[in-house]
Amino acid sequence: ETGVTQTPRHLVMGMTNKKSLKCEQHLGHNAMYWYKQSAKKPLELMFVYNFKEQTENNSVPSRFSPECPNSSHLFLHLHTLQPEDSALYLCASSQVVGGRASYEQYFGPGTRLTVT
Amino acid sequence: QKEVEQNSGPLSVPEGAIASLNCTYSDRGSQSFFWYRQYSGKSPELIMFIYSNGDKEDGRFTAQLNKASQYVSLLIRDSQPSDSATYLCAVMGNPLYDKVIFGPGTSLSVIP
Repeated sequence: ETGVTQTPRHLVMGMTNKKSLKCEQHLGHNAMYWYKQSAKKPLELMFVYNFKEQTENNSVPSRFSPECPNSSHLFLHLHTLQPEDSALYLCASSQVVGGRASYEQYFGPGTRLTVT
Repeated sequence: QKEVEQNSGPLSVPEGAIASLNCTYSDRGSQSFFWYRQYSGKSPELIMFIYSNGDKEDGRFTAQLNKASQYVSLLIRDSQPSDSATYLCAVMGNPLYDKVIFGPGTSLSVIP
C-alpha cells in the first residue's frame, strides 16, 4: 500500500446505525486530518491530529467521534447521523515540521457516505 | 471569517490554450498557498504550492502570487483534455492554527 488509504470507499447507513471510517497513511507523516466535502461546498476541515493529539475540532457535532491510536491510523466513528451528513469524507496527512503541521497535505481516496 | 474565493466556472478553453485560474483570499496574514486538482469522483491531488511573491513554474503549470493584492493564480499552458477537473485553491492562515482553508473550486473543461 502506498500513500493514504481509506476504507470503506462507499458506505450506506441508517440514522440509527453506528459505523467507523478508517484511514491509514504510509508516508511516514505524523499529522492527520478529517475533511468533509459536500456537493457545491468547499472542503470543510473537521479534525486535526498532530503526533496523535487532537489539535483542532472545528465545531463538529458529537455524532462524529475521531480516534487516532498512532500516527499512521485515524478513525472516524459515526453514530445517529442525519441525512445532511451524507458527503465525501476525506482523510489527509502531512509532516509536522518545527512543531507545526507542514503545509502540503496528501489526501486519501475518500469514503462516500450516504445516510438514509 | 477567513475566506478563499474562486469563480466556480465552468471555465472552458480549447486544447493547447492557456487556462488561467484565479483565487482571492481575505486573511492578509496568509503565508502559504496551494493548488489542488480534483477529478470527478476522486480526491484532491496537490499540484503546486507557493510561499513567496512572484511566479513558480513546474512543467506546464505556473503559480503566481501577489500578497499585496491577496491574489493567487494558476496558469496551465498547452491545456490538455486530461487537465479537465476542478481546481481547488487552498490558503494557510495564521500558522499558529495550522489550518488550511479551501476555496470552492473552479471547474475547468478543456475542449479537444
